[in-house]
Amino acid sequence: IAGITQAPTSQILAAGRRMTLRCTQDMRHNAMYWYRQDLGLGLRLIHYSNTAGTTGKGEVPDGYSVSRANTDDFPLTLASAVPSQTSVYFCASSVREASYNEQFFGPGTRLTVL
Amino acid sequence: GQNIDQPTEMTATEGAIVQINCTYQTSGFNGLFWYQQHAGEAPTFLSYNVLDGLEEKGRFSSFLSRSKGYSYLLLKELQMKDSASYLCAVLDSNYQLIWGAGTKLIIKP
Repeated sequence: IAGITQAPTSQILAAGRRMTLRCTQDMRHNAMYWYRQDLGLGLRLIHYSNTAGTTGKGEVPDGYSVSRANTDDFPLTLASAVPSQTSVYFCASSVREASYNEQFFGPGTRLTVL
Repeated sequence: GQNIDQPTEMTATEGAIVQINCTYQTSGFNGLFWYQQHAGEAPTFLSYNVLDGLEEKGRFSSFLSRSKGYSYLLLKELQMKDSASYLCAVLDSNYQLIWGAGTKLIIKP
């Protein structure tokens, strides 16, 4: 693989169910991010990780959790999905040098919670 | 609070020039990015400005004025494939990207 992959591409989920969105990068980037994108709103940061073993909360973390056991993988878990979590989810990564932070994005996961 | 403003939608004609503006108010500034996002796809990097002035890259140029909290993206010789959303994002004092809602650019023949 080259770049960032996300799985699944799309998913329809019943409210109350648990769901994990997967993200893998092969660029050896230090930092990884999860965003959600809703119509009319900018990308909103859910959680981030500056390096393997550390995570942090973004702008909209409630209802989501992440882990970063290694450099390549950064899964996002919805413990009990609610309809307001219907969105397109993008995973991104960056080298995380102090003066530059170009982010590379995965193809996205379109999630519908009914 | 942190805020990035850009027009919601713009329309331009194939072959013409269009300027997309972005104004920002953020806690600290470590650079400004422009990304392009085609419908149903992921954002892709276009440009990065950290110093005042104009950065040119082919048909696309990006300008920054830090004192005015202002940037623009200039697209020349518009092509139909330039129809997309253009996202402005500022790297704040914590090196987190703060994103604008994006400008949808419609190109007409």
